[in-house]
Amino acid sequence: DSGVTQTPKHLITATGQRVTLRCSPRSGDLSVYWYQQSLDQGLQFLIQYYNGEERAKGNILERFSAQQFPDLHSELNLSSLELGDSALYFCASRVAGGPNYGYTFGSGTRLTVV
Amino acid sequence: DQQVKQNSPSLSVQEGRISILNCDYTNSMFDYFLWYKKYPAEGPTFLISISSIKDKNEDGRFTVFLNKSAKHLSLHIVPSQPGDSAVYFCAAISSGSARQLTFGSGTQLTVLP
Repeated sequence: DSGVTQTPKHLITATGQRVTLRCSPRSGDLSVYWYQQSLDQGLQFLIQYYNGEERAKGNILERFSAQQFPDLHSELNLSSLELGDSALYFCASRVAGGPNYGYTFGSGTRLTVV
Repeated sequence: DQQVKQNSPSLSVQEGRISILNCDYTNSMFDYFLWYKKYPAEGPTFLISISSIKDKNEDGRFTVFLNKSAKHLSLHIVPSQPGDSAVYFCAAISSGSARQLTFGSGTQLTVLP
């Protein structure tokens, strides 16, 4: 157990629907990052939150949004889903100043859009 | 535009031999490089890293080499063990960024007994 919890582990939904992925960071970590891994691709950075505030955006579609709550857990909302949104979604938390940049990844949510 | 590239999707090596995984990058602002290992149904786990001010870092059976002029790094695993079979991702962090990781597409290493 890495200390970063992602739920659900698997999600199957239809095109056009909306889903919410949840991430609880490791205790004490203020930063949460979201990454998307499509088939045979590397992890693509989507968005970062730090202590409730958005800090950086990567290749995140307008149909996607995220937030970080006061208890530091984060949610990634995906709407108007398309087949191409099928992917693994990873959350990582990080402690500033940690060794090797202190990243810890969750085990991911596998989203399948049918 | 892929800033971190792993051109070999897969690599098979005999147990006990050396595994060499390669990674190329294009962004000169990258100043820290990391290798992650990923098993199925798990998230990436940190393996080894190197700062851009160094050219080699060693940790047990794992050594990472950095050639800044060629914008190339490699991960050496000696000796390779069947438990090393996993997907290996190269990642980079650039100075002045939000410290997000830029990943390569990964190399599936299979160590044959």
